[in-house]
Amino acid sequence: DAGVIQSPRHEVTEMGQEVTLRCKPISGHDYLFWYRQTMMRGLELLIYFNNNVPIDDSGMPEDRFSAKMPNASFSTLKIQPSEPRDSAVYFCASTQHRVGGTEAFFGQGTRLTVV
Amino acid sequence: KQEVTQIPAALSVPEGENLVLNCSFTDSAIYNLQWFRQDPGKGLTSLLLIQSSQREQTSGRLNASLDKSSGRSTLYIAASQPGDSATYLCAVTSSGSARQLTFGSGTQLTVLP
Repeated sequence: DAGVIQSPRHEVTEMGQEVTLRCKPISGHDYLFWYRQTMMRGLELLIYFNNNVPIDDSGMPEDRFSAKMPNASFSTLKIQPSEPRDSAVYFCASTQHRVGGTEAFFGQGTRLTVV
Repeated sequence: KQEVTQIPAALSVPEGENLVLNCSFTDSAIYNLQWFRQDPGKGLTSLLLIQSSQREQTSGRLNASLDKSSGRSTLYIAASQPGDSATYLCAVTSSGSARQLTFGSGTQLTVLP
């Protein structure tokens, strides 16, 4: 497997524009997580899915953020409208449910800059 | 709510030294604990996973221990090398229905040649 794949790797957009980040989890993994990383706040969990169903979105900062997982192999995180304070690295991770849990694998991240 | 703390925030050592990174967590009801490495501008690479029933895991020069009852984990790096320079993060998966990882803020390690 190629691991967790995120696109784009870098995104520069103007304030007010819509931004869509994409993630392909590892095949067979039934949990998918979206994290945001900034210098000030470190890694923050935004939302996670189990079997394509959103389980906890309490970390989503505002209604401007939304996430979907239409099938087991694809998820999107959308920001509309984007603001400069949304600038961060967004990571997607996936893992497989088993007793005791399993390793979480991360994508390379999308570096978002909102100007 | 689970909180994870890593000490120290930064560490600088000469090449060849053995070193220990510390991680503590507030809720001992965990499924597992995972150590990651992050290089500047890169993603997270999983180093070691310790299940809640285990006491330690080893991979090469790395050894991670877990004391669930006291809420502590350590990552031991033997014979450090400049290539070990990176930020090391620990994360716990809390037990129960939730499966999310809660991360510490990381230890930035610099190994000087």
